[in-house]
This record gives sequence, structure tokens and C-alpha cells, in this order.
Amino acid sequence: EPEVTQTPSHQVTQMGQEVILRCVPISNHLYFYWYRQILGQKVEFLVSFYNNEISEKSEIFDDQFSVERPDGSNFTLKIRSTKLEDSAMYFCASSAARANTGELFFGEGSRLTVL
Amino acid sequence: TQLLEQSPQFLSIQEGENLTVYCNSSSVFSSLQWYRQEPGEGPVLLVTVVTGGEVKKLKRLTFQFGDARKDSSLHITAAQPGDTGLYLCAGCFGNEKLTFGTGTRLTIIP
Repeated sequence: EPEVTQTPSHQVTQMGQEVILRCVPISNHLYFYWYRQILGQKVEFLVSFYNNEISEKSEIFDDQFSVERPDGSNFTLKIRSTKLEDSAMYFCASSAARANTGELFFGEGSRLTVL
Repeated sequence: TQLLEQSPQFLSIQEGENLTVYCNSSSVFSSLQWYRQEPGEGPVLLVTVVTGGEVKKLKRLTFQFGDARKDSSLHITAAQPGDTGLYLCAGCFGNEKLTFGTGTRLTIIP
């Protein structure tokens, strides 16, 4: 069964360092998302991406965050200068249709720990 | 800001019992999805409901979408230990993002 894969599964970094989280969405999907979940809290939307551009982003997704689909298969989330409060589980998701009609399939997540 | 309230937050019942968990919002959903999340893993989609009053069944799980599309329920019949997990509802309010509820942590005691 097709699945969304994410790497790395766990990354530990120093505050102020850049981090890139990678995702390979399901191959025929067109809509891509990043969500995050701080330990013990609910899953929060970060950004949606369609047709090679951001379609929607939350207040969390500030200038320190960026997304890219560099080669038609990978979908990356970059955090330029990590802060302690960026420590969370980051989930990539993909969908064949828009979120309000399609079904989102989530990866297993990348756990980011900022020290 | 749209909020989804899930209740109860925690539920612990004996194997074989029935249970219902709820998801409520003050806003109208364009669609609503139920997920199950295991520790350290991503949410896994169980069902999507779109039409007010819609009822969907998935083996022992019955999902209902309220007529006004502001609420939903998940009913489990004859709960089994394998049903233990975190159940999340997530609503779409006509845009690209899913807003997740805080979840109901379900424990089925053998």
C-alpha cells in the first residue's frame, strides 16, 4: 500500500542551526502538507502546498520556515534558525484532492529536538 | 479561530462494552475526518464524512455526522483491546487546512 515516508525519524540540533526535514508523498498525490505536534498537545497545521506554491499557511509558519518540492518527488520543510520551541513531531501529509474533500495520508513523523 | 472540542478526553472501559466519543464545534465543517494515532506515529485516517446526517460504518465503528455539520460522533460496539489508542477528529472549514481536536485517549481493559 502506498505510504508517505519521512526522514529523518529523529533529529537533534542546537538552537540557531538550520534543519531540513524530508518527505516523499504518495506518488499520484497533488496536495502536500506539513503539520506539527508538540509533545502532549494537538496536531497543528503549518502549511499546504499545491502546484508548486504555498496555498495556505498558519501563523506558526513564519519567515523562519520554508517549503520546497525540489525534484518532483521530495517535499521538504526547512527551519532556518531553530528555536527551543520548535521541538516537536513534524508530520508530512499528502492528498489526491483538496483537504475539504480529499483524504490526507500522514507519514510517521520526524521528531525534532532543539537543545 | 475554529475550535474542535472532543469528549471525553480520557475513557477507560472493559472489553466488550460499547462506547461513544464526541467531536463538537461552533462552526460548520465542510468535511470531517476521524483519525487514530498510536504513540510516536502519524495519524491514520479512519473515515471522512461530508454530508450532514451521514452515517458510515467500519466494522464495529460507526461514525455519524450531525445534520448541521457542526458535530460528529464515533461509536464502538463490543470494544476490544486492539481499539486502544488516541482518536482524533479533524475538521475542514472550507479551506486547505485540517483543524484537529485534542483527542480522546481510549483504553480497553481486557
